[in-house]
Amino acid sequence: QVKLVQSGGELKKPGASMEVSCRASGYTFGSHGIAWLRQAPGQGLEWMGWINADNGDTNYAQKLQGRITMTTDTSTKTVYMDLKNLTSDDTAVYYCARVDGDGADFIYDYWGQGTLVTVSS
Amino acid sequence: DIQMTQSPSSLSASVGDRVTITCRASQSIYIYLNWYQQKPGKAPEVLIYAASSLQGGVPSRFSGSGSGTVFTLTISGLQPEDLGTYYCQQSYSAPVTFGQGTKVEIK
Repeated sequence: QVKLVQSGGELKKPGASMEVSCRASGYTFGSHGIAWLRQAPGQGLEWMGWINADNGDTNYAQKLQGRITMTTDTSTKTVYMDLKNLTSDDTAVYYCARVDGDGADFIYDYWGQGTLVTVSS
Repeated sequence: DIQMTQSPSSLSASVGDRVTITCRASQSIYIYLNWYQQKPGKAPEVLIYAASSLQGGVPSRFSGSGSGTVFTLTISGLQPEDLGTYYCQQSYSAPVTFGQGTKVEIK
């Protein structure tokens, strides 16, 4: 069965960097992109960006440009999301999600379990 | 960016009630609208894709309709396990955007 397993939660200080990993199993890794989304406490869902798991092409949310990097390791079927220069506004549960479909016709059909990252001094 | 606006923000209904949630897009997104359910402490799960198609494994009491800028999610016969927050999401153009969510509570 399809599974996305994320790394564990982290506590970070302002100005630090974070990395969350998302290991995929149960499907052909390179056939689906991976999106990253986050959810601040008590808030809604925010799209952060997307990576082509096969070739590493990316598309990032404008507001995160310059701070975010997504990479893929096809040998371990793992996608990574790095975010630097953290502030308290980055405190959130971070999710990876598999993209099913293409063009404008797609859904996020499988999600990781979520990773809580807390930014606090 | 395309703005997605849901209404109501929250609702409380009884088991067996028919529940309708509306999602409005700031511009036409044709049928590129998906609905997700998020139960407390869990990741979201897709219910409806392309405005009206039921995702595999989702109970038939969930249905979606609409096109252009106005969409609805209907739960025909609310069940206790339907409590949670429902989000619409447009996939028509980047960046992907979500509605702010509708919290459904059971009376």
